[in-house]
Order: sequence, then C-alpha cells, then structure tokens
Amino acid sequence: NAGVTQTPKFQVLKTGQSMTLQCAQDMNHEYMSWYRQDPGMGLRLIHYSVGAGITDQGEVPNGYNVSRSTTEDFPLRLLSAAPSQTSVYFCASSFRRTSGRGDNEQFFGPGTRLTVL
Amino acid sequence: AQSVAQPEDQVNVAEGNPLTVKCTYSVSGNPYLFWYVQYPNRGLQFLLKYITGDNLVKGSYGFEAEFNKSQTSFHLKKPSALVSDSALYFCAVRSGGYNKLIFGAGTRLAVHP
Repeated sequence: NAGVTQTPKFQVLKTGQSMTLQCAQDMNHEYMSWYRQDPGMGLRLIHYSVGAGITDQGEVPNGYNVSRSTTEDFPLRLLSAAPSQTSVYFCASSFRRTSGRGDNEQFFGPGTRLTVL
Repeated sequence: AQSVAQPEDQVNVAEGNPLTVKCTYSVSGNPYLFWYVQYPNRGLQFLLKYITGDNLVKGSYGFEAEFNKSQTSFHLKKPSALVSDSALYFCAVRSGGYNKLIFGAGTRLAVHP
C-alpha cells in the first residue's frame, strides 16, 4: 500500500492565484481530513470528511474548499491564495469509529509546502 | 473550550537516559488524548492514545504515557532514549467530534549521543 499520498510536495503561488492540493489514500478509510501546520501553532484542522459526498468545516476553513467524490480522494482547493495561507499542509485518513475503542489513529501524508508571495 | 499545552519548546536528553515530554490539557467531559511524532520532512505518525481505563498507556517504539486526571496531564515517557527518537512530538486532544483533534504546539526532542 502507498498509504496517504500528497501532490505536489512544494508549490509557490502569487497572491490571488488558485490551486488544488491533491490527497489520495488506498487504505479504504472513510475519514479524511486536511490540516495546516504553522510554526509554534501545531496543526489546525481545515476541513474533514466522514465519507464520500460528506464534508464539513474544521477550525480554520476560510479560503479553502473541499469535495469528496470518491473514498480515495480528498482534494483541497485554494480559491484565491493569500500570503496568510503560506504553510505546510497535511492530509490524513483513518477508519471510522470502532465501537468502544475511541478514535482510530490517523495516517498522515508527507505534506505539501506552500508559499504564497 | 478544549485546549492542550506543551510547556517545553525543546527537551534535551542524553542517550540511554529516561525522557519525559510534558502535556497538559483542558476539556469538558472525559478526555480523549493522543501523542503523535513527526520526523524531519515527514508526516505525523501515531504513537499512542488514551480513551479510558489504565492510567499508563503503552505505545509504539517503547513509548508510554501517563494519564493524571487530577493534574490534567498526559506526559509522554520512555525509560531509555535513543538518538533515533530525536523528532517533533505533538500532544492532541479530541474536540467536538470523531477525530477532530486540537494539537499542541509541539516539543522538539533532541537525544545526544
């Protein structure tokens, strides 16, 4: 299994440009999520999905869109990039809740480092 | 509101010595707590979690964590540190729903030969 894959690894954008960060997993996980990692702030949840066709907002959703048309893919779209979106973006996936065992571990991709000029 | 704090930006330990990485939390209700590790240029990897039950939780790579309800802490420990344990460690708490986690700012562990 490839696990969780993300493309691209690095990206530089100009303010106002749009782009899509790709995320795919081959573990048949129902739950997928996007985080951004900023120095001194840990990871913050942007959007998440509990299954194909179902998405919801996390802690910092403004400026980002997501969709989940298949179980495998969960792309993150930046509509109009801003310098405040300069960050490292991580995609993660996990199985849905297993009764009595609490939240399942999340598997993280290698990240996309985005710079917005 | 749920929150988690990691009071140390960096912890330095000599190889072979015990290590502790500290985490305190604030939640309403029963806490679901996690530790993840990030090696350079990699995504996070799961180490262990606390749901309920035993206060000492054992995880991957010889790590364990001690849950202390009265002190609202969930410190990560290892009896004998390895140089290969050098990484960035994140404590996290569940907030508001399944796998919706709030992460601490991270603690960088440096193990010296």
